[in-house]
Amino acid sequence: DAKTTQPPSMDCAEGRAANLPCNHSTISGNEYVYWYRQIHSQGPQYIIHGLKNNETNEMASLIITEDRKSSTLILPHATLRDTAVYYCIVLNAGNMLTFGGGTRLMVKP
Amino acid sequence: GAVVSQHPSRVICKSGTSVKIECRSLDFQATTMFWYRQFPKQSLMLMATSNEGSKATYEQGVEKDKFLINHASLTLSTLTVTSAHPEDSSFYICSANGYADRTLNTEAFFGQGTRLTVV
Repeated sequence: DAKTTQPPSMDCAEGRAANLPCNHSTISGNEYVYWYRQIHSQGPQYIIHGLKNNETNEMASLIITEDRKSSTLILPHATLRDTAVYYCIVLNAGNMLTFGGGTRLMVKP
Repeated sequence: GAVVSQHPSRVICKSGTSVKIECRSLDFQATTMFWYRQFPKQSLMLMATSNEGSKATYEQGVEKDKFLINHASLTLSTLTVTSAHPEDSSFYICSANGYADRTLNTEAFFGQGTRLTVV
């Protein structure tokens, strides 16, 4: 599975959009980009996933570059409850998830 | 969406005793479940892959005799920490793959986690 690179931490003001980048330059054609987040002491929570088209759901939007070597998770209006560690993971559908360090997002009032 | 239930959420045990953690998929069948461990301020680390009806596959460095995994049905996998020691204190999380949407792409659904403290 392709390795991902994320910044270790980010701050965001409450109510503003949080844009979390992820590099996955070695991604292969059949690998999906998954995003999960983990709020302190809880199990990871699925956010969104995509292959090559941009995706949007009730939680977030996922923007994948045309060459698929990077992606951005967008939380359109961050709240204090969005403070968490966000993991970008690339894998074939159905495979186990391998977590990297993730980005610790701190949403500040 | 699919739900994975993990029990107990918290357990404190004495050194030398064994602890069993259950992971259930509530509304879907999971032929494969995964067990992770997370130490404070660290990322999740895969311990083992649990396959229904067969032996679990352990990651390098994980003692199979210490962390016993049983996946006897399509909805239940258990992790037993045998002869627990304080260094086994950690946050243990299970996950199971299920179908997320009509495209049949699977996603991993996670349990709530179990915080084990060995005293």
